[in-house]
Amino acid sequence: DAGVTQSPTHLIKTRGQHVTLRCSPISGHKSVSWYQQVLGQGPQFIFQYYEKEERGRGNFPDRFSARQFPNYSSELNVNALLLGDSALYLCASRPGSGFSYNEQFFGPGTRLTVL
Amino acid sequence: GQQVMQIPQYQHVQEGEDFTTYCNSSTTLSNIQWYKQRPGGHPVFLIQLVKSGEVKKQKRLTFQFGEAKKNSSLHITATQTTDVGTYFCASMEYGNKLVFGAGTILRVKS
Repeated sequence: DAGVTQSPTHLIKTRGQHVTLRCSPISGHKSVSWYQQVLGQGPQFIFQYYEKEERGRGNFPDRFSARQFPNYSSELNVNALLLGDSALYLCASRPGSGFSYNEQFFGPGTRLTVL
Repeated sequence: GQQVMQIPQYQHVQEGEDFTTYCNSSTTLSNIQWYKQRPGGHPVFLIQLVKSGEVKKQKRLTFQFGEAKKNSSLHITATQTTDVGTYFCASMEYGNKLVFGAGTILRVKS
């Protein structure tokens, strides 16, 4: 079975641009979460979506937005990129939402570099 | 929101030695999860603990959740080169937010 997939794997942007990252969850998983991992730190929670609705939001500015599609895939959008947005962006899926489905299956991530 | 602190930040051991990483919180945790991230890779779920005083084992790995549910530990017996990576603790808090510690980097000398 395919795991979580993310595209693109690497991306280079300049300050002020916007970016769209994509994630396809494991088949049958309805929940998708997004994380930002800066080098040398643990992943920081950005969003969680379940059944196309936002179910959780981390402490990120409004420049960050996301959505989930009917097939449960998801997009993360970041506007007005800053140098500090350079990081590994991880997508994670799980079968459902709530404490019964806590194991997160992470994708390989998208490495974003902002110049 | 809650924070989970992890120590040590970094540990370099000789192959065959034991390794322990600790996770602490100032607030009571509803659960604790452990993940392993290999260099250049992504986090991989190892285990979840939810009960006070819970101890779980996976081969050479032993996971503990403190009686007060404010701390946890991961102990690896007789490390191998395949154990290299960063070990993170994390806790799911209200709002479906998974809060990660900063991680402990493990290096193993063969």
